[in-house]
Amino acid sequence: NAGVTQTPKFQVLKTGQSMTLQCAQDMNHEYMSWYRQDPGMGLRLIHYSVGAGITDQGEVPNGYNVSRSTTEDFPLRLLSAAPSQTSVYFCATKKNRDRGWNTEAFFGQGTRLTVV
Amino acid sequence: GDSVTQMEGPVTLSEEAFLTINCTYTATGYPSLFWYVQYPGEGLQLLLKATKADDKGSNKGFEATYRKETTSFHLEKGSVQVSDSAVYFCALSSGGGADGLTFGKGTHLIIQP
Repeated sequence: NAGVTQTPKFQVLKTGQSMTLQCAQDMNHEYMSWYRQDPGMGLRLIHYSVGAGITDQGEVPNGYNVSRSTTEDFPLRLLSAAPSQTSVYFCATKKNRDRGWNTEAFFGQGTRLTVV
Repeated sequence: GDSVTQMEGPVTLSEEAFLTINCTYTATGYPSLFWYVQYPGEGLQLLLKATKADDKGSNKGFEATYRKETTSFHLEKGSVQVSDSAVYFCALSSGGGADGLTFGKGTHLIIQP
């Protein structure tokens, strides 16, 4: 059981380049989300999805796009990378809306992105 | 909006010392509270949780009690080990709005032998 798989683990981009961070889960969880982790800032929610075909913005959505065409996959797209997007990105999933989403979140191992 | 405040550290202790990491929160309604741990180079994993007032979560010798009157969820362990060195995040989920977790900034714990 792979759980939550993120690829790539490391990436260096030049300013203005685009790329997609991949997130795949095999737990049949309805809820998926993307966080970024920055020193002294903790984790901040970028975008989330409560099911296939449904996405919404989190706390820091600017510069990022998402889509959810299947239950399993939730890619995060950077259309024009900026140095301010240098961060560690985590994908997380939750099972469903049981008890208002107050259930355990499962995290991938992260993607360390550097924009130069 | 929801927020979580925790000491950032780094917190450095000797092996077998007593650990307390303070966590306080503000939230609407009745949130669930969590402690997540991040070992070097890894993602976050759930350490323990509590879903209602006065609940005590426990795991791997760690404990935290949901105190609604003081809006706190302090993490404690009686005797820490070198293997406990990690970053610890306090978090809450109020189940509304973005449906996500609100995290504290994380506490870096270093245990010296």
